[in-house]
Amino acid sequence: DAEITQSPRHKITETGRQVTLACHQTWNHNNMFWYRQDLGHGLRLIHYSYGVQDTNKGEVSDGYSVSRSNTEDLPLTLESAASSQTSVYFCASSISGGGTDTQYFGPGTRLTVL
Amino acid sequence: QKEVEQNSGPLSVPEGAIASLNCTYSDRGSQSFFWYRQYSGKSPELIMSIYSNGDKEDGRFTAQLNKASQYVSLLIRDSQPSDSATYLCAVLSSTGGFKTIFGAGTRLFVKA
Repeated sequence: DAEITQSPRHKITETGRQVTLACHQTWNHNNMFWYRQDLGHGLRLIHYSYGVQDTNKGEVSDGYSVSRSNTEDLPLTLESAASSQTSVYFCASSISGGGTDTQYFGPGTRLTVL
Repeated sequence: QKEVEQNSGPLSVPEGAIASLNCTYSDRGSQSFFWYRQYSGKSPELIMSIYSNGDKEDGRFTAQLNKASQYVSLLIRDSQPSDSATYLCAVLSSTGGFKTIFGAGTRLFVKA
């Protein structure tokens, strides 16, 4: 069955370290998204991609970067982790076109920055 | 003003009652609307989508859309304890490119 996976599921790191969160989907979806979820804020969009070599900034992109070298993967990199980036991170994908944009979410990565 | 607003709750209803969840949005050009359910510690999952004014029913769930009032709601009939979760309203906004904007969610508790 098609699925979307994230790794690691839990990560503890120190301030200033570079961290990369992996996202892999086998839906063959063109669109992929990274969100962070914090109490009181819901899901906030970090970066998104509509296809290979395409990346776009979301509303909270500062301190994060992504690259899309193939359809299946969209890794999220925290260049220099900060305590404010402690959060739960969700990756999602959706099929392109049609304006329906139903998103399928991965299980999430809980990141703690000490 | 937030782009998608929901009452954070918690909303508490007795088992068997109707739970009513509400959402307003600011982008008048939005065309697609979604309700996601998120259990504690889990990822969101889609339960309803609606694209035109009126009601859309799926089992115990009914989504209602009023574009003139920029309002979308979700009704859960015969609420069950298993419906206890956070419900996220999401709107596909055309402003600045097509992006889905999520509300902060409403926590629902169904008391047995």
